[in-house]
Amino acid sequence: EDKVVQSPLSLVVHEGDTVTLNCSYEVTNFRSLLWYKQEKKAPTFLFMLTSSGIEKKSGRLSSILDKKELFSILNITATQTGDSAIYLCAGGSQGNLIFGKGTKLSVKP
Amino acid sequence: DTGVSQDPRHKITKRGQNVTFRCDPISEHNRLYWYRQTLGQGPEFLTYFQNEAQLEKSRLLSDRFSAERPKGSFSTLEIQRTEQGDSAMYLCASSLGYSPLHFGNGTRLTVT
Repeated sequence: EDKVVQSPLSLVVHEGDTVTLNCSYEVTNFRSLLWYKQEKKAPTFLFMLTSSGIEKKSGRLSSILDKKELFSILNITATQTGDSAIYLCAGGSQGNLIFGKGTKLSVKP
Repeated sequence: DTGVSQDPRHKITKRGQNVTFRCDPISEHNRLYWYRQTLGQGPEFLTYFQNEAQLEKSRLLSDRFSAERPKGSFSTLEIQRTEQGDSAMYLCASSLGYSPLHFGNGTRLTVT
C-alpha cells in the first residue's frame, strides 16, 4: 500500500532556530515529491522535486530528495513566527498524490 | 491569476440530503483535482480530470460521489445521501499538465 510518513508530527521552536522536517515515501508510479505549507485553508505550493540530490532553495527554505533511500527533507533556517503552519509532503504521479499527515510547526517569539 | 475558486465555503446539511460543490480552476489549467481532508490528516485523493475526461477515481470513492467537468472548465462534486462520515474539507486543485497543483480554499461540509 502506498504511504507517505512525515516526522515529527509536531514541533515547537523559537524564532531564529533552524528546523528540519522529514518525509519518507513508498509510492508506486512515483514521479515527484512535493512540499506544501498549510495555514488556515488552502495548501500553498513550496517545492516540487523530481531528481535525486539536487537542492531546491527559496529564501530561507530549502529541500532535497533522495530517491535511493526514498526520503526528502525540508529545511527552514532563521525561523519566524510567520513560518508557523502545517507542512505537508506528497508523492506520486501527477493527479493521484499521496499526502502525509503533515508536520505542525509552531514558532514562538 | 485569480486562483482556484470554490463555492460554497461552508455547507451544513442533514444526513441523507444531497449536496453539490463547485470548483472554478485557474483559467489556463487543463487538469482539475478533487481531494478530501479531515482533521489531523493530509488531503486524500478523490478524482481528477484532464479537460473534460475523468482520468482516475480513488477506489475509496463511494458510488454516492460523482464528479463532472462538462466543458473542461469548472467542475462539480455531488454527494448523494450524505452520511456523517462525509463531514470534511473538500479541496479542489488545478494544474497545467505536470506542473504543481494549486489548491482552492476548500468547501467545509458538516453533516448533522
